[in-house]
Parts: sequence; C-alpha cells; structure tokens
Amino acid sequence: DQQVKQNSPSLSVQEGRISILNCDYTNSMFDYFLWYKKYPAEGPTFLISISSIKDKNEDGRFTVFLNKSAKHLSLHIVPSQPGDSAVYFCAASVIAAGNKLTFGGGTRVLVKP
Amino acid sequence: DTGVSQDPRHKITKRGQNVTFRCDPISEHNRLYWYRQTLGQGPEFLTYFQNEAQLEKSRLLSDRFSAERPKGSFSTLEIQRTEQGDSAMYLCASRLGVNTEAFFGQGTRLTVV
Repeated sequence: DQQVKQNSPSLSVQEGRISILNCDYTNSMFDYFLWYKKYPAEGPTFLISISSIKDKNEDGRFTVFLNKSAKHLSLHIVPSQPGDSAVYFCAASVIAAGNKLTFGGGTRVLVKP
Repeated sequence: DTGVSQDPRHKITKRGQNVTFRCDPISEHNRLYWYRQTLGQGPEFLTYFQNEAQLEKSRLLSDRFSAERPKGSFSTLEIQRTEQGDSAMYLCASRLGVNTEAFFGQGTRLTVV
C-alpha cells in the first residue's frame, strides 16, 4: 500500500520557468509534510516542510502548498535553475507516531539552460 | 563537518557474509532513523531510536537485521547472512526532537554479489 505517491516520474523545464511537482497521499493521519532533493550517490537534502495546520509555506524560490481535503501537496520552484536538476521526494509523517517519514517514489527534474 | 556521517560509503560483499554499517548523527540529535532505498524507489523506513532506545522496527527489518545505538550516540546496522535482495542504499537520518526536519547522511551503498 503506497501511502505517498508522486505520479510524475520526470519533469523537464526551461531555466527561469516554474517547476511544479505534485504529490498525493492516502493516510489522513499525516500531519507533517516535507520535500527533499537528492543528487546521485548522496543522501536526501531537506528543502521545505509544511504542517497540516497550514496550507502554504514559502522559502525563497521554493513554495509548498497543501490541500488537505484533496490529500495533495505540491512544490513550486520559481525561477528554476540548472542546479535544481535532481530527484525530488515528497515525504509525510505522523508527528505523534515517531515522525518517521513515508516517501513517494520521486520525480526527476531536468532544468534546461 | 557537523552533518550526519555514515561509514563506509560503499560496501561490496559476497552473499552469506555479515556486514555492519555505522552512522554518526548530528551532535545532540536524540532521534536517529535508518532507511533503505532501492533503485527507482523512495527511501523506506527501517527503524528508529530515541536516545539509546529502539522504539520501532519496520516489518521490512527481518531477523537478519539488527540495529543498536549504545549510549545514544552513534548507531550500527548489521545484516547477517546477506542476500542479493539486500543490495540497496542504506540511509541514516537524525533530528532533534520531533517537530523538526530530519537530516540525512550520504548513505552506504551495499552490493551483494
């Protein structure tokens, strides 16, 4: 049972444009959501998070939106830069249950110069 | 470097051998997590510690796997009688408290031949 899904395995975007990554979840108990970025042969790097009590969180070029009724979150990167090319994972957790992360399968982003 | 450190970065072993990985979390981080990532998938939770206590183990963690965190500092993950299906990236993460993001190490890539 895949509780967190990223339905787009890849995304190609032109430098300077917006990248939109989507993530769906099924477990309504999730109350903390995160996005991680991963380069090959490295561990995931934290990007941005959002609590279930919010619907938007912004940090520089990165904005995460949470739609609890749809069980959907998205990550917007604007403007996209070539250095953003990586695999992006969304993750969700239940804080009271140890806050262990359940990850989606990832979306590979390619930003073209 | 004050990040999460994992050793070794790469391990090639013959089927049936035992292997042990080490994770040094960020200093003062009381929670430590182990995840496993196979090719094309997101990381999957294996187990986690709060200080020296192992609080949860995933059903993915068969009897051949054991993890320890003596004295609540570094942690080790041992796999006995390795199988080819154990080939994966093993990731360690730590966090301070519950309501914070988890920081990942660079992982240990295990190849069982």
